[in-house]
Order: sequence, then structure tokens, then C-alpha cells
Amino acid sequence: DAGVTQSPTHLIKTRGQQVTLRCSPKSGHDTVSWYQQALGQGPQFIFQYYEEEERQRGNFPDRFSGHQFPNYSSELNVNALLLGDSALYLCASSYSGLAGGSYNEQFFGPGTRLTVL
Amino acid sequence: AQSVTQLDSHVSVSEGTPVLLRCNYSSSYSPSLFWYVQHPNKGLQLLLKYTSAATLVKGINGFEAEFKKSETSFHLTKPSAHMSDAAEYFCVVSDLMEYGNKLVFGAGTILRVKS
Repeated sequence: DAGVTQSPTHLIKTRGQQVTLRCSPKSGHDTVSWYQQALGQGPQFIFQYYEEEERQRGNFPDRFSGHQFPNYSSELNVNALLLGDSALYLCASSYSGLAGGSYNEQFFGPGTRLTVL
Repeated sequence: AQSVTQLDSHVSVSEGTPVLLRCNYSSSYSPSLFWYVQHPNKGLQLLLKYTSAATLVKGINGFEAEFKKSETSFHLTKPSAHMSDAAEYFCVVSDLMEYGNKLVFGAGTILRVKS
């Protein structure tokens, strides 16, 4: 099992550009969550995808959008990049099949380091 | 909303001495709590988890944490630090959403281990 994979590893963009980050979940997982980790901070929840739909969203602007494909992989898109978007973007996968509980363990990928110049 | 507060941004210990990383939580219901570790340029690795079972939780690499409801704490400990423990540690609470859950991270504690 390859675990959660993300691509690319690193990315450099300039302000105003658009970027797409990719994530493949752990085998057997159907849910993908995205987090942004700015330098020196803990990760912050961006949104979560399940059954190809965004089902929850954190406090991020509409410039951040995503997609989930039938094979459960996911993309994170950021439009009109700002300097403040420079961060490590983490993808986490989980299985939503557990009923009734607050706990669905999330497994993290290695992240994509985005630098906006 | 659920939240966690990590009380120390940096902790420095000597190799072979005990480690204590402190975390307090705020939760309106019985929480699920985690500790994750992040080594430089690496992803997040789950150390241990508390999900309403035993209050003393044992994790990987000799780490353990104790859930204390009366103190709203979930401190991470290790009896003897190793050089390889140097990393950033995050205390995390699972926050129930309308559908599923999200993880809410503390600000992190950087652990330095001196030889």
C-alpha cells in the first residue's frame, strides 16, 4: 500500500497565477481532506470531499476550489495566487464508512510545498 | 467549536531525559484527541489517539499520553528522549461537522534534543 501520495512535491508560482495540486488517497479510503500549513503554524482545514462533492469547508475564500474523481483522487485548485498562499498543502484521506462516531482517522500525505513569488 | 492549546512553542531536553509536551483542549462533547509528529520536510505521522477508551494511551516510539477530563488536558510524555525525537509535535482534536469530521491542530511544539 503506497499510502497517501501528493504531486508535485514543490511548486513555484507568481502572484496572480493559478495552481493545481493532486492527491491520491490510501487504498480503501473514500474521503479526502485538504489542509494548509503556513510556515510556523499548525495545519488549517480547507475543505473535505466525499462522493465527488465538497461536503464541508473551512474559512478559506472561493479562490480555493477542489474536485474529487470517481477513483477518489482529488485536486486542489487555487486561483489568483497571493503571496500569503505560500504554504505546505497537505492532503489527508479517510474512510467515511464508520457509522455514528466522531472519529475517522485521517492519514496524511507528504505535502506539496507551494511558493508564490 | 473544538480547539486545542499547546502550552509551549519550544521544548529542549537532553538525550535520555523525560519529555513532556503539554496540551489543553476545549470541547463541548467527549473529544477524540491525537498527537501527530512532523519531521523536517516530512508529512504528518500519527503518534497516538484517544477515542473514549482507556485514558492512558500508548503510541509509537515509546510515547504515551493521558486524557484528564477534570483538567481538560492531554499531555504527551516519553520516559527517555532520543535524538531522533527532535521534530515538531501537534496536538489535535477531531471536530464533528455536519458531515464527517475535520482535524483542528494546535500551533505546534518544537522539540529539541541535546546530546
